[in-house]
Amino acid sequence: EAGVAQSPRYKIIEKRQSVAFWCNPISGHATLYWYQQILGQGPKLLIQFQNNGVVDDSQLPKDRFSAERLKGVDSTLKIQPAKLEDSAVYLCASSLEGMISGKETQYFGPGTRLLVL
Amino acid sequence: LAKTTQPISMDSYEGQEVNITCSHNNIATNDYITWYQQFPSQGPRFIIQGYKTKVTNEVASLFIPADRKSSTLSLPRVSLSDTAVYYCLVGDGSGGYNKLIFGAGTRLAVHP
Repeated sequence: EAGVAQSPRYKIIEKRQSVAFWCNPISGHATLYWYQQILGQGPKLLIQFQNNGVVDDSQLPKDRFSAERLKGVDSTLKIQPAKLEDSAVYLCASSLEGMISGKETQYFGPGTRLLVL
Repeated sequence: LAKTTQPISMDSYEGQEVNITCSHNNIATNDYITWYQQFPSQGPRFIIQGYKTKVTNEVASLFIPADRKSSTLSLPRVSLSDTAVYYCLVGDGSGGYNKLIFGAGTRLAVHP
């Protein structure tokens, strides 16, 4: 079974530039998550999709971050314009159903490491 | 909002058993306790999940007392490759969909 795919793996940009990350979840997984992980910290949930609908984006900085999941499969996360503090690893994860039942396993991709100069 | 508290770091030696305890005083009735492992430059990986008593799989054991306010991840006979960050999580039962809140995790260093 193929895992969660993410691209690119690394990205270096200058502040105020734009950047986009792509995620392909495990086939059949209804729920997709984007996390931001700053060095030395645990992942922080940015947005959660159930199929192609957003169920939680309370921690997404909506003035500069946007995400979409067209057709309920692939997803893109965009930052425009980037700030120095956006330097982090952006992780995508998917799960079969989401935590409706109170238990679920999230499968994470390798992440995209972003450096903003 | 369920929160967890676990040690920032631990050290061990190859062949020893490692126990990492996590406290979650505000765990909700529907919440499961899940542990993830993260190696450098990789995403977190599911290790084990439980609701109460004891759960064991090929990698680890999870001990949960009756009040469920804490849990202990047990790694038998660790090796150098078990050096990683371990996260204890409980589901946040607020709203229609639960979500996982990651803390800073426990950095386990296994020495030769």
